[in-house]
This record gives sequence, C-alpha cells and structure tokens, in this order.
Amino acid sequence: NAGVTQTPKFQVLKTGQSMTLQCAQDMNHNSMYWYRQDPGMGLRLIYYSASEGTTDKGEVPNGYNVSRLNKREFSLRLESAAPSQTSVYFCASSLGTMGTEAFFGQGTRLTVV
Amino acid sequence: AQSVTQLDSQVPVFEEAPVELRCNYSSSVSVYLFWYVQYPNQGLQLLLKYLSGSTLVKGINGFEAEFNKSQTSFHLRKPSVHISDTAEYFCAVTGRRGSYIPTFGRGTSLIVHP
Repeated sequence: NAGVTQTPKFQVLKTGQSMTLQCAQDMNHNSMYWYRQDPGMGLRLIYYSASEGTTDKGEVPNGYNVSRLNKREFSLRLESAAPSQTSVYFCASSLGTMGTEAFFGQGTRLTVV
Repeated sequence: AQSVTQLDSQVPVFEEAPVELRCNYSSSVSVYLFWYVQYPNQGLQLLLKYLSGSTLVKGINGFEAEFNKSQTSFHLRKPSVHISDTAEYFCAVTGRRGSYIPTFGRGTSLIVHP
C-alpha cells in the first residue's frame, strides 16, 4: 500500500533551471494538493486540484505550474528556479469530501543555488 | 476563509511529563479540525480529528484533543510523553462547505528530554 508517492526525494538546481516534481496516489482520491514547508512558516498551499480536470491557485502560486495528468497523478513544475524556492515540497491527497483528512507523501527537499 | 494559530513554536518537556500543544482557529463558517504529526524527514500523518459530537477526541499514540467552540480552540494533550513523541505537530482546519482544502498552522516542535 504505497499511498502517496513523490519523486525525487532530493534535488539541487541552479538558478534558472527547470524541473518537475512528480506525485501519484493509489487511494482513488479526488483531491490533490501541493504544499511547501519552510521553517517557521508551516505548510503553505501552492496549488490544488479539487477533482480530475481542475486546478486552482493556492496561497503561494507564483513561479509554479501544475498539471493534473489523470486522477492518480498531479505534477508541480518550476519553470525557472529561484533561490526563494528552496524548500521542502509535499504532495497530499484526500477524498475531498466533508471531514476527510489529507494523506501526505514523504516530501521532496529542493535546493536552488 | 479560515486561519490557524499555534501559539507555541517550540515546547520542551521532560519524559513522562504531561504536555499541551495549543491551537486556535478563526473561520467565518463551521470547521472540521485536525492534528497531524511529522516525524523527522517524513511526511505528515493524522493524529486525530474532530467532526462533530463529543468535544473530547482521542487519537493515536495516547493523544487527545478538546474542541472548545466558545474559545475557538482545539488543544492537543498527552498525559505522559515519551522520547519517541519528539516531532513537529500541526493543527489544521477545513471548512464544512466548499472545497475542504486543509489550512495548516505554523507547527509546534515538541522536544522531549530524558
């Protein structure tokens, strides 16, 4: 039972490079989320997908794009990485119905130099 | 829109002592409330949640939380902590209508000393 799988676990990028963070869930969840975690800031929502075929901006969307490829997969793309995007990124999923909790991946630690 | 305030960024405590981690929320609508735990280098996992009914909710690993509507609080407690409880704890809310997106507090680092 894999749950939510994120790849890669670690990544170092140079400023201006691009990359895509991959996320897949095997729980048949409707909703998927991308958060970033920074010290003292908690988890901040970057983008979310309430259901297959829809995506919406969260609290901190600038510099990111997302694709809900199908019900299972939700990717996050950094088109031109900046040092301010150094963070730990978490993908999460939920049924998206009343009172249901989110399930998280293990995170991707990204450093932009 | 809703928000969550975790009043303590760090809580040091000795092993076998009781602990309370505080959480207050603000929302224009009724909410569901959650506590998550994050062990080092891992993702978050659910400790407990309040949906309705009894205001005292029991979760995993001996944790419990009490919902207080008048105080808009959802404090997490454990009567006797272990070294293994050292972790980051996050309080979260979702609205009772709409897209049910979790909004998280900034987290409280629980440090249990031997």
